[in-house]
Amino acid sequence: TQLLEQSPQFLSIQEGENLTVYCNSSSVFSSLQWYRQEPGEGPVLLVTVVTGGEVKKLKRLTFQFGDARKDSSLHITAAQPGDTGLYLCAGEDTGNQFYFGTGTSLTVIP
Amino acid sequence: SAVISQKPSRDICQRGTSLTIQCQVDSQVTMMFWYRQQPGQSLTLIATANQGSEATYESGFVIDKFPISRPNLTFSTLTVSNMSPEDSSIYLCSAGSGQGNEQYFGPGTRLTVT
Repeated sequence: TQLLEQSPQFLSIQEGENLTVYCNSSSVFSSLQWYRQEPGEGPVLLVTVVTGGEVKKLKRLTFQFGDARKDSSLHITAAQPGDTGLYLCAGEDTGNQFYFGTGTSLTVIP
Repeated sequence: SAVISQKPSRDICQRGTSLTIQCQVDSQVTMMFWYRQQPGQSLTLIATANQGSEATYESGFVIDKFPISRPNLTFSTLTVSNMSPEDSSIYLCSAGSGQGNEQYFGPGTRLTVT
C-alpha cells in the first residue's frame, strides 16, 4: 500500500482567502492527479502532473508536483463558495494503479 | 474523456441479500476499477476489473464477497454478496485508458444495508 497523506483534513475559510492543500508520500509516482468531489457525485479530475517540479494552473488553482515526484500541492487563490468540496490527490504507480490520498474537505463560507 | 453511468444510484437492502451494481462507459476503455467510499472520506480500491479474465482484488477484498464481471470493454458489474450493515457505503466505478494519467468516475451507488 502506498500511503498518500493529505493535510489539512478539514478546512473552513472565508470567501476571498487563499489556501494550500498538501499531498505527501514516501513513494515515487509516475503521475499524480487532483480530483474534486461534490456530495452525491463521483470525483472529477482537475489536473494531472507528470514531471518532477511541474507546475500547472487552472484559473485560480495552482498545482505543483514535487521534484522527487513524491508529493504535490494545490493552491487556491481567492477561494469562492463554488470551490467547496472534497479534494483528493491520487498517485499512479508504474503499473497504472492509482492510490488515493486521505482527502481534504474544504468549505468556503460566503 | 469518458462518461460513466452507474445503476442503481442508491438502494436500501436487507442483511443477507446481494446487490449487483452496473457500470457503463460510453467508450471502450482499457482499465475499469471499483472503489468503496464512506461519505466525506477517501476512496478504497476494491479491485481492478479485467476484461476477459478474473478481477484483481486488493488486500481485504475477496471474490466470494465482491464478485466482478467485465464481459467487454465498456461494461462491468460489482456484486456485494451476503450483505451486512458494514457494507453500507458508496460504491464507485471508474475507467481509465491504461496509458496513464486520467481516470474518470461514475456518480456512485449509495448502498444502505439494514
